[in-house]
Amino acid sequence: AQTVTQSQPEMSVQEAETVTLSCTYDTSENNYYLFWYKQPPSRQMILVIRQEAYKQQNATENRFSVNFQKAAKSFSLKISDSQLGDTAMYFCAFIQPDSNYQLIWGAGTKLIIKP
Amino acid sequence: DADVTQTPRNRITKTGKRIMLECSQTKGHDRMYWYRQDPGLGLRLIYYSFDVKDINKGEISDGYSVSRQAQAKFSLSLESAIPNQTALYFCATSPTGTSGRATFFGEQFFGPGTRLTVL
Repeated sequence: AQTVTQSQPEMSVQEAETVTLSCTYDTSENNYYLFWYKQPPSRQMILVIRQEAYKQQNATENRFSVNFQKAAKSFSLKISDSQLGDTAMYFCAFIQPDSNYQLIWGAGTKLIIKP
Repeated sequence: DADVTQTPRNRITKTGKRIMLECSQTKGHDRMYWYRQDPGLGLRLIYYSFDVKDINKGEISDGYSVSRQAQAKFSLSLESAIPNQTALYFCATSPTGTSGRATFFGEQFFGPGTRLTVL
């Protein structure tokens, strides 16, 4: 069965620092898609960044970037120059084309940015 | 803006009551989903629907039922609510890509969530 593991239940860093959230997943497939979603205290689920497994280049969205290591089945999220508004739960998820469009979710990492 | 809305946003009810949570979307997406979120467990899929006539059970469907009234509406019912159904409930949508990549494959768009408390 496919699984997603986020090994850090909670992290905290000072504002302006860089922080990396880890995510590992388990699949025997070669084609899949990976996501990081953010859930701030407002509880809205917001897509942060996404990555196709067939692309070797790591995705980047402004201050957010990923380190995608396909062989290691690792998909970590790096947040540079962290801001107070980055305080949120962060969820890693992946999906395979033959999975009836069902996302597999990690348990989440609570990130606190301290002023 | 095209959007996903959920009603109510918060609900407190008593054990044994029937509860309906509603989801509407203006994104024009065919696929709709109901998730439950519990602390430390992430999101778990309750039901999903690929069109009005296609409804499927997810990981944790026991104690829940759904109705897809139209492409834009997908309702979740708790026939007889129990305290361990206290959770945050999300509706989500995703588009049908002609190749699976018309938009980014698998991306889902979420409503604001419904906080349900069963006493």
